[in-house]
Parts: sequence; C-alpha cells; structure tokens
Amino acid sequence: AQSVAQPEDQVNVAEGNPLTVKCTYSVSGNPYLFWYVQYPNRGLQFLLKYITGDNLVKGSYGFEAEFNKSQTSFHLKKPSALVSDSALYFCAVRDRDAGNMLTFGGGTRLMVKP
Amino acid sequence: DTAVSQTPKYLVTQMGNDKSIKCEQNLGHDTMYWYKQDSKKFLKIMFSYNNKELIINETVPNRFSPKSPDKAHLNLHINSLELGDSAVYFCASSQGWKSGEATQYFGPGTRLTVL
Repeated sequence: AQSVAQPEDQVNVAEGNPLTVKCTYSVSGNPYLFWYVQYPNRGLQFLLKYITGDNLVKGSYGFEAEFNKSQTSFHLKKPSALVSDSALYFCAVRDRDAGNMLTFGGGTRLMVKP
Repeated sequence: DTAVSQTPKYLVTQMGNDKSIKCEQNLGHDTMYWYKQDSKKFLKIMFSYNNKELIINETVPNRFSPKSPDKAHLNLHINSLELGDSAVYFCASSQGWKSGEATQYFGPGTRLTVL
C-alpha cells in the first residue's frame, strides 16, 4: 500500500520569505513523487515531479522540491514567496510497481501575507 | 485551448435523481481518470480507463458508472443521487497506464450539490 502525509493543514509565510510545504510518503518499492497546486475553484495544476536522478527537482513558478530517500520526504520549497502563491498544495506518490495508481496527501493550505 | 474539459462546471440536483458529468481531453492521452474531492479537500481516485478499458475501480458504489466512448472521453453517470455524493469531481488524463512517471493533467472540476 502507498500513502502520503502532509503534516501541516496550513502554512503561513510573509511575502518575500522562503516557504516550505512538507510531505512524507510510504511505498513498498521506489516512488514517483508529484506536487500539484489548486487555486480556489480551479482544478489541480501540475508543479513538478521526481522520477529519478538529481534529488533536487525544479518546477513551475520558481518552486522546487527535494527528494530525501532516507527520510522518505519530498518537501516543496520556494526561496521567496509571493502573495499569488497562496493556494492549496497537494503531494502525491505512485509506487513504481503499482501501475498508474496515484495517491494524494490531504493537502496543505499556503497563506502568503503581504 | 483547454487540455482537459468537464461539463457542467456546477450541478445542483435533488436526491434520487440521475445525472451525468462529461469529460474530454485533447492531449492525445490514452488513460483517463475520475477523482472525488470531498468537503475537506481530500482527493481520492474513483476510476481509471486505458484505451476505453476499465483498469481501476476503487470501491465506488455501483450507482456510479463510468463510460468511455473513445479514448478522448470519459463520462460519469450517477444513479439515485444521495446527499453524500455532494463533492467536486475531477477528471484527469495521462499517457500510458503502465508508465508510472506519466503526469496526470486535471480538468477544472464539477461541483455537484445534492439537495
């Protein structure tokens, strides 16, 4: 079975400060890891994914995430937050041996204040 | 150009009614999905189709019946709607059912409210 945990329901950060949204996962094999963002009343937009190779993955809108196998984590980061980054962020995992079954975390609401 | 589109965007209906939600993707993908997002924003897969063939069916009541007329379309029909069916339903698509690295692209969602 595969699972994802996003331990923070909400993260508050001031504009211009760095942000981190946490994600830990559990799979029986090796993972594919994804981050999506959901703006109010919108669908999920793909941000970035980790497949293999470099543990630091860069994605859309200046976001990046670091894969840490020993800690089974895939935290989302951005060096300088914007008010427009305020949204709901979802981490998702897929076990490489589990076909195309994608499991999502419960989501973390990011609030960036001016 | 909308990659994954859903209609309608909003659906308000009475308990016991039957309703359908349509999904179309113009990405040329061969795999499509339906997800349900509940009021707490928890997102869970319901169904997945690959080349019009059902490959994932996640313990969804049989009142829910997906239909895929071709690989660009995946519709969701719901019979005898219940209050607990109120949610946002998302359609998604990807290329390659066995390719685990494939990114899933989501539609804008259909907010279903059952009164």
